[in-house]
Amino acid sequence: GQQVMQIPQYQHVQEGEDFTTYCNSSTTLSNIQWYKQRPGGHPVFLIQLVKSGEVKKQKRLTFQFGEAKKNSSLHITATQTTDVGTYFCAHIIQGAQKLVFGQGTRLTINP
Amino acid sequence: DAGITQSPRYKITETGRQVTLMCHQTWSHSYMFWYRQDLGHGLRLIYYSAAADITDKGEVPDGYVVSRSKTENFPLTLESATRSQTSVYFCASSGGTGSNQPQHFGDGTRLSIL
Repeated sequence: GQQVMQIPQYQHVQEGEDFTTYCNSSTTLSNIQWYKQRPGGHPVFLIQLVKSGEVKKQKRLTFQFGEAKKNSSLHITATQTTDVGTYFCAHIIQGAQKLVFGQGTRLTINP
Repeated sequence: DAGITQSPRYKITETGRQVTLMCHQTWSHSYMFWYRQDLGHGLRLIYYSAAADITDKGEVPDGYVVSRSKTENFPLTLESATRSQTSVYFCASSGGTGSNQPQHFGDGTRLSIL
């Protein structure tokens, strides 16, 4: 199936620093969804991107979908301790509503 | 989300035993999913269901059985548990009307097989 590679696997930052995670595919994707999972919690939907070159913002979070629809990124400006968790990208297999998840990027923050 | 509940939250059992994990959603979502989450593997789809009485295999279905007699329930059964099935299991649902709806996850069941 269509795999999505997510990097880095782990990222540790000082509070206030920026953070970026990348999601890459060898094939064109119809969409990208981003989820956040707090430690000990369950994945929570953040956003969906469907258009080539799309950029969406949620407060300090900026989501991008590449022009070729083969990659996506999530950037957090000025991290806060509440941003701790694992961020997953995922894409839907059309017609089946199945999500294929990336491996996730685990973000830890030094206060 | 209060709309999707999993039970039990924690379960310890022995190899060879049959175990059933329950999932119930109150949104009348057509699609439901079962995932397992293991370190180094992220979230992997076990089975999913597009509607009552319609189920299909995901990425890692071996050793698992599902049923969906009612829209709101989607139980997952491990017929003869093995240690490799020790994991955190998440159930999810989505409206899934063809417009790429987000998935809503339950709190998970932490299953240990001794």
